[in-house]
Amino acid sequence: NAGVTQTPKFQVLKTGQSMTLQCAQDMNHNSMYWYRQDPGMGLRLIYYSASEGTTDKGEVPNGYNVSRLNKREFSLRLESAAPSQTSVYFCASSVTTSGTGIHYEQYFGPGTRLTVT
Amino acid sequence: AQKITQTQPGMFVQEKEAVTLDCTYDTSDQSYGLFWYKQPSSGEMIFLIYQGSYDEQNATEGRYSLNFQKARKSANLVISASQLGDSAMYFCATRETSGSRLTFGEGTQLTVNP
Repeated sequence: NAGVTQTPKFQVLKTGQSMTLQCAQDMNHNSMYWYRQDPGMGLRLIYYSASEGTTDKGEVPNGYNVSRLNKREFSLRLESAAPSQTSVYFCASSVTTSGTGIHYEQYFGPGTRLTVT
Repeated sequence: AQKITQTQPGMFVQEKEAVTLDCTYDTSDQSYGLFWYKQPSSGEMIFLIYQGSYDEQNATEGRYSLNFQKARKSANLVISASQLGDSAMYFCATRETSGSRLTFGEGTQLTVNP
């Protein structure tokens, strides 16, 4: 199993450009997540999808959109990139979420390092 | 809202010694989970250990153990017999049963010296 894969690994954008970060998991997990990691701030949740067909905002959703394309894939789109979106982006997945699934850990992809100039 | 506090930005330990990384949390839920992740310099996030709020015993996984003190709202990670490969950033995180998100602390950078 590849686990959680992300593309691209690195990206440089100019302010105002758009791009989509791709994420896929092969563990048959129901829930998927997008985080950003900035220096000194830990990871912050951007959006998540508790199950196929649903998406919800996390802590820092402004400037982003997501699509849960199917059970395997969850993409993150920046419509008009800004320098404040320079960060490392992590996709994660877990078996399920909330309720009795609280103990299920999240599996993370390798991350995408995005720079917006 | 949940909040995780990791008060040690950096920690140093000698190889083969034990080290404790602090984590305190704030949550209004009665049922919640606590997680520790390791992030080496290569950048990936590696799950280490989990503790449920109703678990009566402290969680252990190999050289990792969790010193869970519910009344004090602390969930410290103890690494025994440190190895050079333990040098990494360590994150504490919590999840409430009412939500799906993990809330992370700011992390502790651990350096193991030979």
